[in-house]
Amino acid sequence: EPEVTQTPSHQVTQMGQEVILRCVPISNHLYFYWYRQILGQKVEFLVSFYNNEISEKSEIFDDQFSVERPDGSNFTLKIRSTKLEDSAMYFCASSGDPNSPLHFGNGTRLTVT
Amino acid sequence: RKEVEQDPGPFNVPEGATVAFNCTYSNSASQSFFWYRQDCRKEPKLLMSVYSSGNEDGRFTAQLNRASQYISLLIRDSKLSDSATYLCVVSGGSNYKLTFGKGTLLTVNP
Repeated sequence: EPEVTQTPSHQVTQMGQEVILRCVPISNHLYFYWYRQILGQKVEFLVSFYNNEISEKSEIFDDQFSVERPDGSNFTLKIRSTKLEDSAMYFCASSGDPNSPLHFGNGTRLTVT
Repeated sequence: RKEVEQDPGPFNVPEGATVAFNCTYSNSASQSFFWYRQDCRKEPKLLMSVYSSGNEDGRFTAQLNRASQYISLLIRDSKLSDSATYLCVVSGGSNYKLTFGKGTLLTVNP
């Protein structure tokens, strides 16, 4: 079964550093998402992306965040200057259409020290 | 009302028990509804979509009441492997965004 893959599985970075989290969505999917989950809390929407542009973003997704689809397969989330409170599990997801359920990658655990 | 609200739990049940999860949502324009399960420190995985007429998949039954903005999940004959957090997930009006409930932790005991 096709799956969403994310790298790295764990990223440790110092406060103020830039990080790029990478995702390869399912190949025939057109809708891409980033979610995050702080330990012990709920899964929170960050951003959705379709047709090479952001469709919707949450208030969490401020100017420090950006997304990109640099080629036909990768979908990246960049955090420009990380803060301690950015420590969380970041999940990438994709779907074939907006009414379909999302397929999630296995996540990148980001630890900001 | 919170966007998606679930029973806080946790639920501890013996094997073979029937357990029900409840969820309410605030956005009357929501179009799509799902139940996901999440194992500890893993990604959410789709359990089942929820349709207006209600639907069943083996031991799992989902119901939707649009008038009350209420969704439920029933697990019959629970197994040890059903132990997980169950997440109620609802689309926003635009369908570009799915909103997750906080989840209800289920532990099935031998």
